[in-house]
Amino acid sequence: GQQVMQIPQYQHVQEGEDFTTYCNSSTTLSNIQWYKQRPGGHPVFLIQLVKSGEVKKQKRLTFQFGEAKKNSSLHITATQTTDVGTYFCAEGYRDDKIIFGKGTRLHILP
Amino acid sequence: NAGVMQNPRHLVRRRGQEARLRCSPMKGHSHVYWYRQLPEEGLKFMVYLQKENIIDESGMPKERFSAEFPKEGPSILRIQQVVRGDSAAYFCASSPQAGSGNTIYFGEGSWLTVV
Repeated sequence: GQQVMQIPQYQHVQEGEDFTTYCNSSTTLSNIQWYKQRPGGHPVFLIQLVKSGEVKKQKRLTFQFGEAKKNSSLHITATQTTDVGTYFCAEGYRDDKIIFGKGTRLHILP
Repeated sequence: NAGVMQNPRHLVRRRGQEARLRCSPMKGHSHVYWYRQLPEEGLKFMVYLQKENIIDESGMPKERFSAEFPKEGPSILRIQQVVRGDSAAYFCASSPQAGSGNTIYFGEGSWLTVV
């Protein structure tokens, strides 16, 4: 079945550096959602993007939805140790099923 | 203002036994999702239910796995005759209503270990 592809699978950054994860689909997405899962924890909803070209910000996090609605990105500026975790993008289908990408694991080096 | 409640949080079963995982959605939510997460892997969709109705079970293994969401009580994910490969975290999530683009809210998960 269709699945959004996420890259990279892993990312190590020095504390204070920026971080970006990308989510790509071969078909047009109805909407894209982003979740964060801390180690040992459960996924927590961050944001939803619906409109073509949409950009949303949450403090140091910037979310973008591509013009063609086939890709999305999450950018974190000046990472902190609290940013450690796995970031998932997820596609919401018209029948309300929500399918997750495989996630990007972010490790912060002190 | 309780969130999605899952129990048990941790469950150990011997091979061949049955595992029952329960999920109570957030108040006012009528839709429940079950996902499985293997160690160091992503969230794999299993099943999506409304009260008394399975909407989509395309991610459920054909054998040994079943799910229900009765009119009264929690949603239950049942795994019969468990095998070691069933060891995983099982996350339940709920959403308030049907409609494209609904976000979902996760419980804290049930960690199943098969020995």
